[in-house]
Amino acid sequence: QSALTQPASVSGSPGQSITISCTGTSSDVGGSNYVSWYQQHPGKAPKLMIYDVSNRPSGVSNRFSGSKSGNTASLTISGLQAEDEADYYCSSYTSSSTRVFGGGTKLTVL
Amino acid sequence: QVQLQESGPGLVKPSQTLSLTCTVSGGSISSGDYYWSWIRQHPGKGLEWIGYIYYSGSTYYNPSLKSRVTISVDTSKNQFSLKLSSVTAADTAVYYCARVDSYIDYWGQGTLVTVSS
Repeated sequence: QSALTQPASVSGSPGQSITISCTGTSSDVGGSNYVSWYQQHPGKAPKLMIYDVSNRPSGVSNRFSGSKSGNTASLTISGLQAEDEADYYCSSYTSSSTRVFGGGTKLTVL
Repeated sequence: QVQLQESGPGLVKPSQTLSLTCTVSGGSISSGDYYWSWIRQHPGKGLEWIGYIYYSGSTYYNPSLKSRVTISVDTSKNQFSLKLSSVTAADTAVYYCARVDSYIDYWGQGTLVTVSS
């Protein structure tokens, strides 16, 4: 299985909105509602930000939202804040009952 | 509050078998509500699924690692374990254990395993 495709980096200024894409195939992202997004700060374990494509866990800011169209899922962060600077990973369930991550996207808040 | 804690050697010699254990507290592996997973992260790189196990022993492995990986569960100790055979320097990584539903909601802190002679 190949890793899902994410942009290596994105950036934005405080207050702006950014979107991170996650492209897979019909065997993973396109065929699954089990797409999730994780935030990882340096030296820390990842943290769940979005699950099942567009659901937000309790305690996660409503500035974070998720969506999916075809084989591509997206994470949008609105009202960028300095603490949003981190690495972001998508993950999907696959038709083989395995899981796969994206390659990760480094978000820089300018 | 569920907590997961990885344990095992931080240094493994090439060609040997890497062995790690994850101890779960605050929840029972036997509940059957979740899968239990191993994930790794090479230094400065992204996350990689290794595989996961159900309390009954059913396993699912990353095809790229399947020939070298064994994940097992000990419900009496509320633990699950990872064995990765024939390791090389390319297996040097931070290894995480995690609880899986349709998403990962709890992670261990991660343990760095270095493969070196």
